[in-house]
Amino acid sequence: DAKTTQPNSMESNEEEPVHLPCNHSTISGTDYIHWYRQLPSQGPEYVIHGLTSNVNNRMASLAIAEDRKSSTLILHRATLRDAAVYYCIPNTGNQFYFGTGTSLTVIP
Amino acid sequence: NAGVTQTPKFRILKIGQSMTLQCAQDMNHNYMYWYRQDPGMGLKLIYYSVGAGITDKGEVPNGYNVSRSTTEDFPLRLELAAPSQTSVYFCASSIIAGRNQYYEQYFGPGTRLTVT
Repeated sequence: DAKTTQPNSMESNEEEPVHLPCNHSTISGTDYIHWYRQLPSQGPEYVIHGLTSNVNNRMASLAIAEDRKSSTLILHRATLRDAAVYYCIPNTGNQFYFGTGTSLTVIP
Repeated sequence: NAGVTQTPKFRILKIGQSMTLQCAQDMNHNYMYWYRQDPGMGLKLIYYSVGAGITDKGEVPNGYNVSRSTTEDFPLRLELAAPSQTSVYFCASSIIAGRNQYYEQYFGPGTRLTVT
């Protein structure tokens, strides 16, 4: 599975957009790019995934670089409930390898 | 649906004791997983199962055993507990979803285990 690099931590003001980057330069051609988040004291939850094209859902947007070696998770208006650890997981198949993720702090 | 449920929520074990962490899902998912998460770290895969009667090792299987006799249940057994097994344990299940066949995992709330 592809190795990922994410910032250890980021801060955002409430109601501002947040861009969470992920480098995955060793990604294979068949790897999906998944993003999960883990709220404090909870199990991870699915946020979004994509393969080649940018993706939107009700939670977030995912921007994927043309060469697929990096991606950015975009939260359009951060709320206090978005404070969590965000994991970028490129993979094919049913085994997920979680790194340490990015801890997002949202400032009121 | 209850989703993925785990029991107990908390447990303290003495070194050398054994216990079983329970996990159940009511979504008819074929795939189930056990992860552990140490403080400040990401999740590491212990064991997984692709269906009843089929299990396989993940990254960190030593000290653990699993069985999968039904689609719904995937218990994790700790034999001879050690302090290194102090961790939060998450169970998850997944399906193959979407037109392009990706896996989306659903996680339980976790079991916090302390071995002293």
